[in-house]
Amino acid sequence: QKEVEQNSGPLSVPEGAIASLNCTYSDRGSQSFFWYRQYSGKSPELIMSIYSNGDKEDGRFTAQLNKASQYVSLLIRDSQPSDSATYLCAVNAYSSASKIIFGSGTRLSIRP
Amino acid sequence: KAGVTQTPRYLIKTRGQQVTLSCSPISGHRSVSWYQQTPGQGLQFLFEYFSETQRNKGNFPGRFSGRQFSNSRSEMNVSTLELGDSALYLCASSPKRVGETQYFGPGTRLLVL
Repeated sequence: QKEVEQNSGPLSVPEGAIASLNCTYSDRGSQSFFWYRQYSGKSPELIMSIYSNGDKEDGRFTAQLNKASQYVSLLIRDSQPSDSATYLCAVNAYSSASKIIFGSGTRLSIRP
Repeated sequence: KAGVTQTPRYLIKTRGQQVTLSCSPISGHRSVSWYQQTPGQGLQFLFEYFSETQRNKGNFPGRFSGRQFSNSRSEMNVSTLELGDSALYLCASSPKRVGETQYFGPGTRLLVL
């Protein structure tokens, strides 16, 4: 079992709709969770960080964390073509306090 | 505040050579992590430095090494390059520890021929 798992996609969503990206992790003691966006040929850029159960909203983005289910998600409302990118889920595993484990990423495509 | 900088941005080497990549973190950040990104393996953790000490290391052979200087700048070195080392090498910095948010540099794209 991979430490951080994401559906590789591609996930195709019509413009203006809600895009839902999911991530599961194996280390139950994980403390910090991050979503990064990566455009082709560019480096990852941070979208959201979340540390406690529940929802965290920032503009059109909402991160959701459920530690009991070991599940973290990212919702993108009113999807725009500029949201087309690969989204990386990252987890700071408790057992490896000084490293962050990345999922393989979900490729999101927003169709006009 | 200036972001994370990496030099060089692009590099072409041949098998057997060695390479040194440099990373300057955001001012005030003391933790620097290095990652290798390839299409097949995704983003893989190489190592993390804090206050000139390596705190953790990923599953890479000993050909991959790094160090951090007193001003928090970091270098990574790959000796005896192999074709499979062709990748985007990313550096990320965070204020104190990796559990905090990391900010990535633009990366160094290495091609080994």
